[in-house]
Amino acid sequence: QQQVKQSPQSLIVQKGGIPIINCAYENTAFDYFPWYQQFPGKGPALLIAIRPDVSEKKEGRFTISFNKSAKQFSLHIMDSQPGDSATYFCAAFSGGYQKVTFGTGTKLQVIP
Amino acid sequence: DSGVTQTPKHLITATGQRVTLRCSPRSGDLSVYWYQQSLDQGLQFLIQYYNGEERAKGNILERFSAQQFPDLHSELNLSSLELGDSALYFCASSVPSGRKETQYFGPGTRLLVL
Repeated sequence: QQQVKQSPQSLIVQKGGIPIINCAYENTAFDYFPWYQQFPGKGPALLIAIRPDVSEKKEGRFTISFNKSAKQFSLHIMDSQPGDSATYFCAAFSGGYQKVTFGTGTKLQVIP
Repeated sequence: DSGVTQTPKHLITATGQRVTLRCSPRSGDLSVYWYQQSLDQGLQFLIQYYNGEERAKGNILERFSAQQFPDLHSELNLSSLELGDSALYFCASSVPSGRKETQYFGPGTRLLVL
């Protein structure tokens, strides 16, 4: 049973655009929502994360928006660059690692 | 480079066999996590060890087992291998840091079961 739904599956934007990747979860016990970036042939790397007590978090060009009532969170990449081309995964954690679910990933391509 | 090392990088074996994947965490990290990434299942958390003790269990099959040794390196043992076990296996390590726990992933071991 998929507990985190991620969309879109793939995304193509032009350089400077703002790609938005969405995730929706079902279990209200989730209390930590990270985003990971993965380049081909590499392991995932933590990009940014948020907890449900805030509605937005920014780190550099990356922003997480969190809507607790809708049980949705999204990643925005400002001023996207070709170097941002990668696969992005959202995840949801509950009680540390007692419950961990990952989204299915979004392959982002930023064209010059 | 995340500082997490995994060996081997690639592994090709046959169904029914047993393999051991090894992970060395970043210096000072006490937690080790194992993940499986396959095309049809995506990224799945398998198991976590903290300072030698099992801390959390995810979708780990009974044919799989892991342990963390006193020097903090970890091994993931996969036995009675099936074709469907072909996947990328990642190890990650972390030290809890306040409210945010940052995991650092290794480069992965690509397992192919023929």
